[in-house]
Amino acid sequence: QKEVEQNSGPLSVPEGAIASLNCTYSDRVSQSFFWYRQYSGKSPELIMSIYSNGDKEDGRFTAQLNKASQYVSLLIRDSQPSDSATYLCAVNRGSQGNLIFGKGTKLSVKP
Amino acid sequence: DVKVTQSSRYLVKRTGEKVFLECVQDMDHENMFWYRQDPGLGLRLIYFSYDVKMKEKGDIPEGYSVSREKKERFSLILESASTNQTSMYLCASRTDSGSSGNLRETQYFGPGTRLLVL
Repeated sequence: QKEVEQNSGPLSVPEGAIASLNCTYSDRVSQSFFWYRQYSGKSPELIMSIYSNGDKEDGRFTAQLNKASQYVSLLIRDSQPSDSATYLCAVNRGSQGNLIFGKGTKLSVKP
Repeated sequence: DVKVTQSSRYLVKRTGEKVFLECVQDMDHENMFWYRQDPGLGLRLIYFSYDVKMKEKGDIPEGYSVSREKKERFSLILESASTNQTSMYLCASRTDSGSSGNLRETQYFGPGTRLLVL
């Protein structure tokens, strides 16, 4: 069974701190990795995609990928209360072409 | 901006009813997906379609069927609704760019339909 694992949290950080969210996946052929943000009662919103080993930065967000360790992470710098949400990691299933999602990590940023 | 719309935000149905959930995207995407999301279980793929009239089973297709007669529209059908199908249903649409080995996918979700089956 191909899986994507995340800590469910809640992860609580103070405003202005760095939030670090982690994800591991089991399918070695996966080539595409995504982070979605989901506010309570809303649908997931794509915030980052990463395809190559290393870091990818977009504003306050940095995605990190290590295919050898089958590990992908999301760093949120200068965390704001508006970042409080559940963050879903998603991984492409390879030849099937669809995404498998982790169950999400709930982040709480305290003012 | 990509827009994925779903026919209802909230729906209440009775056990045994046939239920239709509609999803429409306006960006000419080939790939469309239906998920359900439940507390503690996360997002689970029900069915997906990569072209008109094509459909593939996802992880939990039992009790569901789908229809894709037009590229922009993907319908989820609950043949005979049951209480264990009470859930949030999310439609998604995806575009692919690049070539094999360098594929770039971008998947967008609709607002969701919260279905209650009594």
